[in-house]
Amino acid sequence: LAKTTQPISMDSYEGQEVNITCSHNNIATNDYITWYQQFPSQGPRFIIQGYKTKVTNEVASLFIPADRKSSTLSLPRVSLSDTAVYYCLVGSPGKGKLIFGQGTELSVKP
Amino acid sequence: GAGVSQSPRYKVAKRGQDVALRCDPISGHVSLFWYQQALGQGPEFLTYFQNEAQLDKSGLPSDRFFAERPEGSVSTLKIQRTQQEDSAVYLCASSLMTGVETQYFGPGTRLLVL
Repeated sequence: LAKTTQPISMDSYEGQEVNITCSHNNIATNDYITWYQQFPSQGPRFIIQGYKTKVTNEVASLFIPADRKSSTLSLPRVSLSDTAVYYCLVGSPGKGKLIFGQGTELSVKP
Repeated sequence: GAGVSQSPRYKVAKRGQDVALRCDPISGHVSLFWYQQALGQGPEFLTYFQNEAQLDKSGLPSDRFFAERPEGSVSTLKIQRTQQEDSAVYLCASSLMTGVETQYFGPGTRLLVL
């Protein structure tokens, strides 16, 4: 399973765009890239998933370059409620279990 | 609809006691997963069920850990003779099927072993 590397922590201010980059140099052909968000005392929550290029939903965008060795989660105009830990995961369909890294602790300040 | 629920939310056990943690997945979800999350770390996989069949238990840290899902819905994670290193949050997740579909997590059970 591909190992992921992401910053331990990031700070931002309300209203800014936040970009969190994840490295996954050993990503396999069948692997998808998935991001989860976790608030204190809650379980992780799915944010977005992609295979290549760009994916956008109502919460975030996910940018994946052609070589797929990294990906960037983009959160537009963050608010205080976006303060959480964000996990980048890489895995292939059918494997089922998720492999979490340490995550990025995002702190949004007023 | 209702999400994944877990009970109890908090459990304090004395070292050596047995504990049982319950997970109620989303109705109709075929797959069920258990994860262990230590303080400041990401969740780590423990075991996985597809319906009542336990297909992967490679993450269970010792033979003191046992999980079951006898009727393919509710699951119980049992820890025998608890040790202090078992203190963690135990998360349950369910998904409709295996693969790239979303896993939905419960709030977790925080276990503290004294």
